[in-house]
Amino acid sequence: EPEVTQTPSHQVTQMGQEVILRCVPISNHLYFYWYRQILGQKVEFLVSFYNNEISEKSEIFDDQFSVERPDGSNFTLKIRSTKLEDSAMYFCASRTRYNSPLHFGNGTRLTVT
Amino acid sequence: KNEVEQSPQNLTAQEGEFITINCSYSVGISALHWLQQHPGGGIVSLFMLSSGKKKHGRLIATINIQEKHSSLHITASHPRDSAVYICAVSREGGATNKLIFGTGTLLAVQP
Repeated sequence: EPEVTQTPSHQVTQMGQEVILRCVPISNHLYFYWYRQILGQKVEFLVSFYNNEISEKSEIFDDQFSVERPDGSNFTLKIRSTKLEDSAMYFCASRTRYNSPLHFGNGTRLTVT
Repeated sequence: KNEVEQSPQNLTAQEGEFITINCSYSVGISALHWLQQHPGGGIVSLFMLSSGKKKHGRLIATINIQEKHSSLHITASHPRDSAVYICAVSREGGATNKLIFGTGTLLAVQP
């Protein structure tokens, strides 16, 4: 069964560094999302992407964050200058259409030191 | 106030027991999702429903739209069912159908 894949599974970075989290959604999916989960907290929405543009973003998704779908298969989340509070598990998710089940990747655990 | 509330937060059961996890929400929704998160962190979608009842193996999900309430039942529970079960909703009329998550129920099934 096709799945959403995320790399790396774990990334450690120093405060102030740029990180890129990578996702390969399922190939025929059209809606893409990034969510994050700070340790011990609930999952939070970051951003949604449809038709090659951001369709919605949360208050968390400030100017330090950006997303790209550069080649029709990869979907990346970039954090320009990481802060300690960016430490979290980041999940990529995709779906075929607006109201269909969501498929999640296994997540990237980001640790900012 | 959280838009999605789950109860209980923690649940310990003996193998074979019937388990119920509850979810209440306060917004109009287009669908409700039940998700499973294992200790490694990955999230798996169990059910997406907007009315009635769905069954998959030993799992049953029900929703009452009028009461804004859903339940997830596990019959004949097994230690491998131990995980965090998360209720999430997508708002009615939302632009992108993003999910709003509950805090999860940590289930431990003991042999």
